[in-house]
Amino acid sequence: DAGVTQSPTHLIKTRGQQVTLRCSPKSGHDTVSWYQQALGQGPQFIFQYYEEEERQRGNFPDRFSGHQFPNYSSELNVNALLLGDSALYLCASSLATLDVGQFFGPGTRLTVL
Amino acid sequence: GENVEQHPSTLSVQEGDSAVIKCTYSDSASNYFPWYKQELGKRPQLIIDIRSNVGEKKDQRIAVTLNKTAKHFSLHITETQPEDSAVYFCAAPFNYQLIWGAGTKLIIKP
Repeated sequence: DAGVTQSPTHLIKTRGQQVTLRCSPKSGHDTVSWYQQALGQGPQFIFQYYEEEERQRGNFPDRFSGHQFPNYSSELNVNALLLGDSALYLCASSLATLDVGQFFGPGTRLTVL
Repeated sequence: GENVEQHPSTLSVQEGDSAVIKCTYSDSASNYFPWYKQELGKRPQLIIDIRSNVGEKKDQRIAVTLNKTAKHFSLHITETQPEDSAVYFCAAPFNYQLIWGAGTKLIIKP
């Protein structure tokens, strides 16, 4: 039973570039949530995908967008990267009802220079 | 909306002693309360959770208690060990997302 996987593990970009991060949920899960975690902070909710649609969104600008595929995997896209976008990006998978817990992938460490 | 407050922000205990972390929530409709442990450089891991139809749940040295009337829930760790050192987060669901507490850094002193 595979857990949540994310790719790539690390990424270095320069300001103004665009990045795509990928996530495959745990087997049997249909909902993917994305979080941004800056050093020393708690995870900040970006958005959640369910049935290939964005179901809920946190307080992040439109530069952050996403997608969910029919196999429930998901992508996070960030355009026009800023230095402040440097963080650990975590993907969490769950069932739609959330009441059996969210399970996190190992994260993608994004550094913007 | 839901607001989750977590205390203390830092907790230092002697190895072998107990640790208690408390969270309060605001939405009385919340019915599921997970706790996560995050070690330095690693992903948050779900360590225990509780649903609103029970008042307490235990798993070896870890327990969670829930008081729905007062809208608070607590994480209890007994016989603390060095590997318990980490940041612990509580959370509560609201509108399809989990609302997270600010985290508690638990330090286990040898």
